[in-house]
Amino acid sequence: AQSVTQLDSHVSVSEGTPVLLRCNYSSSYSPSLFWYVQHPNKGLQLLLKYTSAATLVKGINGFEAEFKKSETSFHLTKPSAHMSDAAEYFCVVSGGTGGFKTIFGAGTRLFVKA
Amino acid sequence: DSGVTQTPKHLITATGQRVTLRCSPRSGDLSVYWYQQSLDQGLQFLIQYYNGEERAKGNILERFSAQQFPDLHSELNLSSLELGDSALYFCASSTLLGNNEQFFGPGTRLTVL
Repeated sequence: AQSVTQLDSHVSVSEGTPVLLRCNYSSSYSPSLFWYVQHPNKGLQLLLKYTSAATLVKGINGFEAEFKKSETSFHLTKPSAHMSDAAEYFCVVSGGTGGFKTIFGAGTRLFVKA
Repeated sequence: DSGVTQTPKHLITATGQRVTLRCSPRSGDLSVYWYQQSLDQGLQFLIQYYNGEERAKGNILERFSAQQFPDLHSELNLSSLELGDSALYFCASSTLLGNNEQFFGPGTRLTVL
């Protein structure tokens, strides 16, 4: 069975400071992992994905995430937050035998203060 | 714009009614996914179709059903609607069956009164 846990429901940072959004996953096989972003009243957009290639994955808008199998984590980071980064972020695990169920984390709301 | 279209954008109906939500995937995408997003349940995977066949099932109620047609568009049918079915319903598409990027539509907001 798969599961994904986003460790923080809300994260607040100041503009220009680093962002860390934490995600732990559980999977009985090698999963594919994704981060999606949802801006208010908008659909979801892919930030980045891990599919068993390089463990450090670079995405759009300066975001990156590191796959750590030993820690079953896939945390999302950005060196310097921008006001436009304020949104909801979802960590997603997908894949496996018997169908490709997609499991979304509960989401982390990122607030960016001026 | 992801290339995935969903209609209608908004839908208001009464309890006990039946509605159909429509999704057109990106050109060339064979896989279609349906999701429900509500405040209390978060984003829940409902069902996936690939080239007309059901391939994965999530937390989809028996009152709900879906299908994918030969032209690859998909419909999600919700029947015997309850107040708790009020939510944002997203459709997503991807090129392949497996673990690849999904492109999300703008969603259909369903309000059950």
